[in-house]
Amino acid sequence: NAGVTQTPKFQVLKTGQSMTLQCAQDMNHEYMSWYRQDPGMGLRLIHYSVGAGITDQGEVPNGYNVSRSTTEDFPLRLLSAAPSQTSVYFCASSYSSPNYGYTFGSGTRLTVV
Amino acid sequence: AQKITQTQPGMFVQEKEAVTLDCTYDTSDQSYGLFWYKQPSSGEMIFLIYQGSYDEQNATEGRYSLNFQKARKSANLVISASQLGDSAMYFCAMREVPNTGNQFYFGTGTSLTVIP
Repeated sequence: NAGVTQTPKFQVLKTGQSMTLQCAQDMNHEYMSWYRQDPGMGLRLIHYSVGAGITDQGEVPNGYNVSRSTTEDFPLRLLSAAPSQTSVYFCASSYSSPNYGYTFGSGTRLTVV
Repeated sequence: AQKITQTQPGMFVQEKEAVTLDCTYDTSDQSYGLFWYKQPSSGEMIFLIYQGSYDEQNATEGRYSLNFQKARKSANLVISASQLGDSAMYFCAMREVPNTGNQFYFGTGTSLTVIP
């Protein structure tokens, strides 16, 4: 099925560990983003990409890295996990036009202990 | 300034009644899109409805309609004949397409509870 595939769905990390959240879309969307959602704080933009090879920081980029080597994939790397990074993470993608909204992945619930 | 403002943190509605969720936006662009998403307790983000800035008629999708008042920069979501399954968080969003920079902006959400 066409859509945005996020893995894993759940993850527990120890403080200081690193990991990569995977995001892949098969809709040939140019625009991809990562958000985190914390209780009462809505969606906060971490990083985004307007196309392969182009990434930029969002509102809360510290502690996260991204790359966009292909149109399909946009992984999010946590360099050294901290308890403050406990959150639900969403990947989203879209065509590059104001007529199109996001297609969201199903989310990753990350707990850092 | 906030790009998207949702002033109702929580709303209650009786089953089968209509409810309006407020959303105002701020942009100087002529071309933009407005969207509403639903997030049930299961956590996924579900697209509900879209309104383009040049659309003269209000968008409708089944029981959902978007009350678009361009001069007032408002894009309220109207849910008719509320159902228990409508209980969820609702997010208003706007998309601009600048030459550079972020394109999407989200409100903080409104939690809707449908009462039987």
